[in-house]
Amino acid sequence: EAGVVQSPRYKIIEKKQPVAFWCNPISGHNTLYWYRQNLGQGPELLIRYENEEAVDDSQLPKDRFSAERLKGVDSTLKIQPAELGDSAVYLCASSSQGATYEQYFGPGTRLTVT
Amino acid sequence: QKEVEQDPGPLSVPEGAIVSLNCTYSNSAFQYFMWYRQYSRKGPELLMYTYSSGNKEDGRFTAQVDKSSKYISLFIRDSQPSDSATYLCAMTLRGYQKVTFGTGTKLQVIP
Repeated sequence: EAGVVQSPRYKIIEKKQPVAFWCNPISGHNTLYWYRQNLGQGPELLIRYENEEAVDDSQLPKDRFSAERLKGVDSTLKIQPAELGDSAVYLCASSSQGATYEQYFGPGTRLTVT
Repeated sequence: QKEVEQDPGPLSVPEGAIVSLNCTYSNSAFQYFMWYRQYSRKGPELLMYTYSSGNKEDGRFTAQVDKSSKYISLFIRDSQPSDSATYLCAMTLRGYQKVTFGTGTKLQVIP
């Protein structure tokens, strides 16, 4: 069974440029998560989707970050404009509904903002 | 005080040693406790989760939860160089709630 797929794996952009990350969750997983992981830290939740609905986006910096999950499967996370402090690894995870204790992560996208 | 505390290490052990990794937490309402392994430049991989107190074993890995002390542990028996990674503890109140991660402990197993 395929795991969580993310692309791109690496992205280098200049500050003020836009960037987008894509995630395809494990088949059948209704819940999708976007996390940000800074060096030496654990993942921090940005947004959680239950199907198409964003049920927890309290930590998403909405002035520059946006996300969507059309049709309740794939998801895209966008940053516009990017800032130097956005350099981090962006992780996507998925789980069955109601099973936040059993999340499966993708390989992540390493973003460098110069 | 952080909700979840984890020693960042690094922890270096010889091959074959028993490894003990630990986390403490402050929220007594946490019910689910998870351990993730993260290799360099990879996403976290779920090793196991436990519900409430007690032990859970999976091969060379054993997870322990002591809710009275707000302390969880992961033991790795017969450690191998391939176990070298960062180990993240995580916990949540219940299945629909946000997960809180520790900062991770970096483990190096020396051949």
